[in-house]
Amino acid sequence: KAGVTQTPRYLIKTRGQQVTLSCSPISGHRSVSWYQQTPGQGLQFLFEYFSETQRNKGNFPGRFSGRQFSNSRSEMNVSTLELGDSALYLCASMASGRSRTDTQYFGPGTRLTVL
Amino acid sequence: AQSVAQPEDQVNVAEGNPLTVKCTYSVSGNPYLFWYVQYPNRGLQFLLKYITGDNLVKGSYGFEAEFNKSQTSFHLKKPSALVSDSALYFCAVRVYGNNRLAFGKGNQVVVIP
Repeated sequence: KAGVTQTPRYLIKTRGQQVTLSCSPISGHRSVSWYQQTPGQGLQFLFEYFSETQRNKGNFPGRFSGRQFSNSRSEMNVSTLELGDSALYLCASMASGRSRTDTQYFGPGTRLTVL
Repeated sequence: AQSVAQPEDQVNVAEGNPLTVKCTYSVSGNPYLFWYVQYPNRGLQFLLKYITGDNLVKGSYGFEAEFNKSQTSFHLKKPSALVSDSALYFCAVRVYGNNRLAFGKGNQVVVIP
């Protein structure tokens, strides 16, 4: 099976712009979660989507949003970019998240740099 | 709230020696515990997990971890470290009904040839 794919792998934006990141989960997986990784804050949970619905949300401002499509692919959007949004954004897919044995498998990430 | 502590920033070990990376957790309820490894410019790679049952869990690449409920720990171990094990290791926890993973800060493992 192909793993989790994320596009683009690298992105450079300027303050005030917006950005959209894409994630394709492992085939058959219906749950997609997003995490932000920075040197200062480490790995932080952004949100989880399942069956096109946001199921869980982390403590991030409303500038961070996401959605999931009927084929389970997910996108996250960051509007009005700030320098502090520079980070590695990781997507993780899971079969359903309804079984305690479910495991999250991560993609390679999108490295966002805000100038 | 669930949280994970990885007390050491960096673990240095000679090639061929045993490797241990420490992790303690705090949750309300039964914990589901995970170890991931991250190589430079890569995502997180799943190593192993503890859900229930045997306290000693075996995973990929010769790694294992021991769940200790009384000490709320889940230390990662490898009997004989390889140079290729040099990477960043993350411990994570979640609870049933909440798929949010709470991660520790990570441990840089350096295996010295």
